[in-house]
Amino acid sequence: DGGITQSPKYLFRKEGQNVTLSCEQNLNHDAMYWYRQDPGQGLRLIYYSQIVNDFQKGDIAEGYSVSREKKESFPLTVTSAQKNPTAFYLCASSARTSGATYEQYFGPGTRLTVT
Amino acid sequence: GIQVEQSPPDLILQEGANSTLRCNFSDSVNNLQWFHQNPWGQLINLFYIPSGTKQNGRLSATTVATERYSLLYISSSQTTDSGVYFCAVGIQGAQKLVFGQGTRLTINP
Repeated sequence: DGGITQSPKYLFRKEGQNVTLSCEQNLNHDAMYWYRQDPGQGLRLIYYSQIVNDFQKGDIAEGYSVSREKKESFPLTVTSAQKNPTAFYLCASSARTSGATYEQYFGPGTRLTVT
Repeated sequence: GIQVEQSPPDLILQEGANSTLRCNFSDSVNNLQWFHQNPWGQLINLFYIPSGTKQNGRLSATTVATERYSLLYISSSQTTDSGVYFCAVGIQGAQKLVFGQGTRLTINP
């Protein structure tokens, strides 16, 4: 059963703690992405990776870090430097094509609450 | 950067009605996707439609790339169609999607 899994579904942390969100895909996709969604808003890109051991900052990367050691996995760490970490986090992946077009598929998301 | 505007922001309809959701974008795109976000937050892929017209059951979409807009049509709405519909676009050389603010659709029985 191919797809994207994110864990946990809900996550609660105290302010000042780092927290890591998991994202795994078995679609054999090269590219993976992390987005953030705030209530009533669209999604904004945090980081993306087009290939193993390489990743680029998105529009709102401050306070976040990522790694891409395996093709299937792209974990996101929300650090204590992120000023407003409470949000819904979505992971996505796409097949890397030789052209410039691609379709992204999303995981079920992780709701992070920091108090 | 590219701007994506969706209209209307909210739409309330009775079951069985038809609806049209619009997405305007400010620059040339090579990727346009429509998503439905269900009440649990899951983004469901509806269409990948950088240009042309596609249909899938009661849903269809049209993108007129030269005029920089896309339309999502929902016919014979059902209560399960409720949720937020997002349009997202990608531009040449950029491996990311830029999302609109969404249209919240409520279908009443």
